[in-house]
Amino acid sequence: QVQLVESGGGVVQPGRSLRLSCAASGFTFSGTGMHWVRQAPGKGPEWVAVISHDGINKNYADSVKGRFTISRDNSKNTLYLQMNSLRAEDTAVFYCAKRGSGSYYAMDVWGQGTTVTVSS
Amino acid sequence: QSALTQPASVSGSRGQSITISCIGASSDIGTYNYVSWYQQKSGKAPTLMIYDVSNRPSGVSNRFSGSKSGNTASLTISGLQAEDEADYYCSSYTSSSTWVFGGGTRLTVL
Repeated sequence: QVQLVESGGGVVQPGRSLRLSCAASGFTFSGTGMHWVRQAPGKGPEWVAVISHDGINKNYADSVKGRFTISRDNSKNTLYLQMNSLRAEDTAVFYCAKRGSGSYYAMDVWGQGTTVTVSS
Repeated sequence: QSALTQPASVSGSRGQSITISCIGASSDIGTYNYVSWYQQKSGKAPTLMIYDVSNRPSGVSNRFSGSKSGNTASLTISGLQAEDEADYYCSSYTSSSTWVFGGGTRLTVL
């Protein structure tokens, strides 16, 4: 079945970097756009970034633009999120999500999430 | 991009129907028929319930339905069941080629 498994979260000091990974299985990863979405404690989800199936087209939320980079390795069925210059307000559970099969504009499968805590 | 506006909470008795509103803007809900609704149970990841305003993914109960009018989208759950108790989030594609979510609505089934 379709599965997304995030990893790479942890506790990091403000200003430092972290790279998240999302291992995909059960679908044609190389043919599917992917998202990162985060959810701060007690808050609603916040969309972070999207990448096209071939890695060419990317877009970011204003809150992370210039600090975060989304990428993918289709040979490894893996999605990445490089996070630099981390701030306390980046503390959240980070989910990867697959672009919808029925709709390009929905997210039809989500991973279980990985927690990022930015604190000194 | 401002978050979409949802009521913080709604409640209903088993068997009744409830509707959750999601207010956006002309740059998102008002222009695009790309509204999705997600259900999130405690400690779990969100799951897709409705896409493109009113379409249900395979496996989602037909008790769930969606609609849109102007800048406002709505999710209706009919025949409420205890298992429907969860947080619900709307989301829309935007004119900036980004996505925006609502703040969420907690559904309590009495």
